[in-house]
Amino acid sequence: EAGVTQFPSHSVIEKGQTVTLRCDPISGHDNLYWYRRVMGKEIKFLLHFVKESKQDESGMPNNRFLAERTGGTYSTLKVQPAELEDSGVYFCASSQLSTGGVETQYFGPGTRLLVL
Amino acid sequence: RKEVEQDPGPFNVPEGATVAFNCTYSNSASQSFFWYRQDCRKEPKLLMSVYSSGNEDGRFTAQLNRASQYISLLIRDSKLSDSATYLCVVNEWNTGFQKLVFGTGTRLLVSP
Repeated sequence: EAGVTQFPSHSVIEKGQTVTLRCDPISGHDNLYWYRRVMGKEIKFLLHFVKESKQDESGMPNNRFLAERTGGTYSTLKVQPAELEDSGVYFCASSQLSTGGVETQYFGPGTRLLVL
Repeated sequence: RKEVEQDPGPFNVPEGATVAFNCTYSNSASQSFFWYRQDCRKEPKLLMSVYSSGNEDGRFTAQLNRASQYISLLIRDSKLSDSATYLCVVNEWNTGFQKLVFGTGTRLLVSP
């Protein structure tokens, strides 16, 4: 079974440009999460989709970040315009819906974003 | 104060050694707990869940102390392949859905 995939693996852009990251979750996983690791810091939650609906976007840094999951399959995370502090590794994770039990989140390989 | 605190290390140990990592968390309402392993420039992968009764998986033993809000991971008979960063992760329930909160990780280096 294919795992979580992310594209691109690396992106180098200039400040002010736009970048769009893509995540394809494991087939059948309704939960999709975005996380980010800024250099020297811990991995932090950005937002959570259940199917196509945003369940929790409390971790989104500001309105320069826009996440979508049209159709409830893959998701995109767009940063526009990018700032230097947006540099980091963006991870996507997916899991099956749980009826209250513990779910296991499976992570993608991440997209390494460098804003110059 | 960070929500999940870990000693960043690195812990340098010889092969065959026993090593223990500790972690504390601040949110007493946290529901579930995990240790993830992350290799250099790779994604985090679930190592094991942590239960109050303690659980063991081969050379790995995890313990949870809810009263002290403390989680531990013990690795026995360390192998070179155990070299990695170990992330303490707490699952916070939010409106019925889960959100992972990560520590910064503890780096382990196992040498021959």
